[in-house]
Amino acid sequence: DQQVKQNSPSLSVQEGRISILNCDYTNSMFDYFLWYKKYPAEGPTFLISISSIKDKNEDGRFTVFLNKSAKHLSLHIVPSQPGDSAVYFCAASAEGNQFYFGTGTSLTVIP
Amino acid sequence: EAGVTQSPTHLIKTRGQQATLRCSPISGHTSVYWYQQALGLGLQFLLWYDEGEERNRGNFPPRFSGRQFPNYSSELNVNALELEDSALYLCASSLGGLRYGYTFGSGTRLTVV
Repeated sequence: DQQVKQNSPSLSVQEGRISILNCDYTNSMFDYFLWYKKYPAEGPTFLISISSIKDKNEDGRFTVFLNKSAKHLSLHIVPSQPGDSAVYFCAASAEGNQFYFGTGTSLTVIP
Repeated sequence: EAGVTQSPTHLIKTRGQQATLRCSPISGHTSVYWYQQALGLGLQFLLWYDEGEERNRGNFPPRFSGRQFPNYSSELNVNALELEDSALYLCASSLGGLRYGYTFGSGTRLTVV
C-alpha cells in the first residue's frame, strides 16, 4: 500500500526553465513532508521540508508547496540547472514517526 | 564529521543464505532507520531503532530483522534469502526528532543469485 505516490517516473526540462515535481499522499495524518535528491551510487540527501501548518516553504531556487485539501505537494526548481539532474523523492511522516517515501521522479535538465 | 557509514558496499549471496548488513550512524544520532530500494519501488520502510529498541517495522516478513547496539550502530539481518530481496539497502540516522529529516548512508547493494 503506497501512501506516498509520485506518478511521473521521469521529467525533462530545459536549463533555465522551471521544473515542477509532484507528489500525492493518502494518509491525512501526515504532518511533515520532505524532498530528497539522489544521485546514482549515493544515498539520498535532504533538500527541503514543509510542515502541515504551512502551505509554502522556499529555500533559494527550491520551493515546496503543500495543498492539504488535495493531499498534494509539489517541488518547484527555478531556474533549473544541469546539476539538478537526479532522482527526487518526496517523503511524509505522521506525528514524529518514520517517513514514507514515494517512488521517485528522475529529473533531467537539458543544457 | 563522519556521515552515516554502511558496510559492505556490495554483497552477493545465494538464495537461502543469510545476509548481514551494518550501519554506523552519525555521532550523536540515536535513531537508525533501514529502507529497501528495490527496482521501481522507491524506498520501502523496513525498521526503525531508537536507543536500542525497535520502534516500528514496515510490512516485511519476520526473516528481516535487526538490532541496535549500545553505541547506536545497527545491523540488518535477512534470513532465507530470496531472489526478490535483491535491492539497495539504505540506512539513515537522525537525532530522534524528524524535523530535519534523515541523513542517509550510501547503501549496501545486495544481490541474491
